[in-house]
Amino acid sequence: DAGVIQSPRHEVTEMGQEVTLRCKPISGHDYLFWYRQTMMRGLELLIYFNNNVPIDDSGMPEDRFSAKMPNASFSTLKIQPSEPRDSAVYFCASSPVYRGKKPQHFGDGTRLSIL
Amino acid sequence: GENVEQHPSTLSVQEGDSAVIKCTYSDSASNYFPWYKQELGKRPQLIIDIRSNVGEKKDQRIAVTLNKTAKHFSLHITETQPEDSAVYFCAAHRNRGSTLGRLYFGRGTQLTVWP
Repeated sequence: DAGVIQSPRHEVTEMGQEVTLRCKPISGHDYLFWYRQTMMRGLELLIYFNNNVPIDDSGMPEDRFSAKMPNASFSTLKIQPSEPRDSAVYFCASSPVYRGKKPQHFGDGTRLSIL
Repeated sequence: GENVEQHPSTLSVQEGDSAVIKCTYSDSASNYFPWYKQELGKRPQLIIDIRSNVGEKKDQRIAVTLNKTAKHFSLHITETQPEDSAVYFCAAHRNRGSTLGRLYFGRGTQLTVWP
């Protein structure tokens, strides 16, 4: 089991550029989650998918953020245009179908810095 | 939705002492309660979880207790060691509604164990 795989691990870019974060969930997991973590706001859920369908995107801060899950093994989170306040660690997590438990497994995160 | 509150936000203990972190939740339909440990610069990792049909669960030096009537659950760490120093998050899974599948996280507790 390779775990949840995120890329890139670090991203430094200038304000106004497009940023794309990638995630490969654990095979067989039906749920995929995107989180943002900052010191000020803690761990925030941005959006999550069930069977590739977005279920709740109410945490997406604004229209500059978008997420897709074209298939069961891949998801992207895009920020366009990026702003310095988007600097944070972005985590992807996946969990299996509900069986009375819903343990989420997190990737190692993408540390994003917008200059 | 669900509202999870976690206390304290910071906790300092001497090595060998016990540490207790408490969380409350608001929705009686919540039925699954995981705890995550996040070391500095790392991803959150599941350390223990409990389902609502169980009152207590233990795994070596860590234990979790659940009081469904009072809607609170706690993490207990005994014989603390410096490597227990981390941020601990509690979470609840709400077993109804349109947000089935997501976890609601507390704000985290920074535990520091002094040698």
